[in-house]
Amino acid sequence: QVTLKESGPGILQPSQTLSLTCTFSGFSLSTYGMGVGWIRQPSGKGLEWLANIWWDDDKYYNPSLKNRLTISKDTSNNQAFLKITNVDTADTATYYCARIWNTPGDYWGQGVMVTVSS
Amino acid sequence: DVVLTQTPSTLSATIGQSVSISCRSSQSLLDSAGNTYLYWYLQRPGQSPQLLIYLVSNLGSGVPNRFSGSGSGTDFTLKISGVEAEDLGVYYCMQATHAPWTFGGGTKLELK
Repeated sequence: QVTLKESGPGILQPSQTLSLTCTFSGFSLSTYGMGVGWIRQPSGKGLEWLANIWWDDDKYYNPSLKNRLTISKDTSNNQAFLKITNVDTADTATYYCARIWNTPGDYWGQGVMVTVSS
Repeated sequence: DVVLTQTPSTLSATIGQSVSISCRSSQSLLDSAGNTYLYWYLQRPGQSPQLLIYLVSNLGSGVPNRFSGSGSGTDFTLKISGVEAEDLGVYYCMQATHAPWTFGGGTKLELK
């Protein structure tokens, strides 16, 4: 059974660094072709695909966030991570992680709400 | 970036009615290897998105066969043949042929 669960700080202040963790089970990021992606959704709005990390440690970033994103993984502990630096109110959203196994987002986590506020 | 335009933005339907959602891309989604990376997702109220259709027309695991996808190049369609109450929510198309991966703006399916 594949499951993913996101965790994060809940609330943080502008200019801080957002650190998110995706803890998953039912698959391994050491499996050939496997990946995990991060997607976000501001309240009441659409979806934005942010970044991916693959079994071979290859990474993909959405250029719209320029150099603010860093994705990483801990294969032994079945976790993937996303850091977003220098956050502002526009980064307030629900953040999802999702499995990529030939198909993007065949399984999604429940999402974690993040609020950026002073 | 590739822009995906979904129409309509809101769709009102009765139970049992058949409906279609259009997703038009600003560029062809056919890659040089002959693959078209176009996907459909449903986000029910208060829930995470779930995969419905992959690679234009392939049904995701556990997805009822009243859902079908079609299209090529820049024009794609999701059809629901006989809407059921559990189908209500927001439908998104997404492309992964071109970086960055992008979603359409969504189509909200509601009961008439």
